[in-house]
Amino acid sequence: EAGVAQSPRYKIIEKRQSVAFWCNPISGHATLYWYQQILGQGPKLLIQFQNNGVVDDSQLPKDRFSAERLKGVDSTLKIQPAKLEDSAVYLCASSPGRWNPGYTFGSGTRLTVV
Amino acid sequence: GNSVTQMEGPVTLSEEAFLTINCTYTATGYPSLFWYVQYPGEGLQLLLKATKADDKGSNKGFEATYRKETTSFHLEKGSVQVSDSAVYFCALSDQAGGTSYGKLTFGQGTILTVHP
Repeated sequence: EAGVAQSPRYKIIEKRQSVAFWCNPISGHATLYWYQQILGQGPKLLIQFQNNGVVDDSQLPKDRFSAERLKGVDSTLKIQPAKLEDSAVYLCASSPGRWNPGYTFGSGTRLTVV
Repeated sequence: GNSVTQMEGPVTLSEEAFLTINCTYTATGYPSLFWYVQYPGEGLQLLLKATKADDKGSNKGFEATYRKETTSFHLEKGSVQVSDSAVYFCALSDQAGGTSYGKLTFGQGTILTVHP
């Protein structure tokens, strides 16, 4: 089966600009996750969707980050305006249902804010 | 809340050496435990998992045993290869029926470099 697709692979923007990342999960997967991985740290969950509803966004900086999953398939994560500390790899993952031990990650989008 | 602590890195070994990467956790209830691997330029891949106490996860010569009494899930491999060079992450998630919907809590990662 095809894996989790993410684009772009790399993005460089200036601070205060906006940026968007796209994720296409594995076909049929109901749960979609966005993680932020800062250099030298483990990934941290930003937001989790079950179909097109948000399950957990407790660690999403809502003053600048937003995410949507229209029609319960693809998802977009947006940052506006970006800060230097947003430089990180943004990872998308998906799983078949509400809880599945061990799920598949995409290759990520590496964001550099200068 | 949940947390995962991995041994400090980086770890540098010669080919065919024995590998141990320590991982301990703090969680309520009975979490599932995972090791993920991230090769250079690639995304996270699930290496192995264990979903209950005393379970042993294994894959590609790597092993880890879920030790509830010591809250540990140490990763081991008897003979490493150059191709094992990567970053290794220990992680946990709540069990089914919890409220986290499979949210993963990761350790900080351990960089492994294997020399010929």
